[in-house]
Amino acid sequence: QQQVKQSPQSLIVQKGGISIINCAYENTAFDYFPWYQQFPGKGPALLIAIRPDVSEKKEGRFTISFNKSAKQFSLHIMDSQPGDSATYFCAARSGEKLTFGTGTRLTIIP
Amino acid sequence: DTAVSQTPKYLVTQMGNDKSIKCEQNLGHDTMYWYKQDSKKFLKIMFSYNNKELIINETVPNRFSPKSPDKAHLNLHINSLELGDSAVYFCASSETGGARTEAFFGQGTRLTVV
Repeated sequence: QQQVKQSPQSLIVQKGGISIINCAYENTAFDYFPWYQQFPGKGPALLIAIRPDVSEKKEGRFTISFNKSAKQFSLHIMDSQPGDSATYFCAARSGEKLTFGTGTRLTIIP
Repeated sequence: DTAVSQTPKYLVTQMGNDKSIKCEQNLGHDTMYWYKQDSKKFLKIMFSYNNKELIINETVPNRFSPKSPDKAHLNLHINSLELGDSAVYFCASSETGGARTEAFFGQGTRLTVV
């Protein structure tokens, strides 16, 4: 049972384009929704996070959109760069437990 | 200044052996975790300790035993290693309390059982 569903599994975007990754959840007890970025051979690192009382959060080129009623949230990467090529994980926290989505492998091509 | 450090980074061992992975954090956090990342990159929580007490224990074989000697350390001991235990194991830490803050991850330990 996958509590946090993430799509797409892989994504190829041209440099300068917009990368969009979507996640959906079922557990209404989740109260914190971070996105993590993972480069090969490294551990996941927090990219940006949002709480359910906010519909959007922007940090630089990265924006989270949150739809509480639909239980969906998404990551938008504007002006995507080759350095953004990595695996992205959405996650949701309930208590001390962080549940991850299945990951999206993002490749930015010149 | 490594925030969450794990040793070793790579571990190759034979089936049936017993091995340990060590984790230390210098962030002053009081909650630590072990996550397993399989070959498909799926991240799943295994254990969580808060101030040396076990608070999360997912469905993990009892061959896996976490030990927390103090709140800055969380080690993972694995008995009778099996081929299916091959994965990358991540240690993480976070603050607890009313605020829900991020989890900081270590670099991972790639375990290969042959």
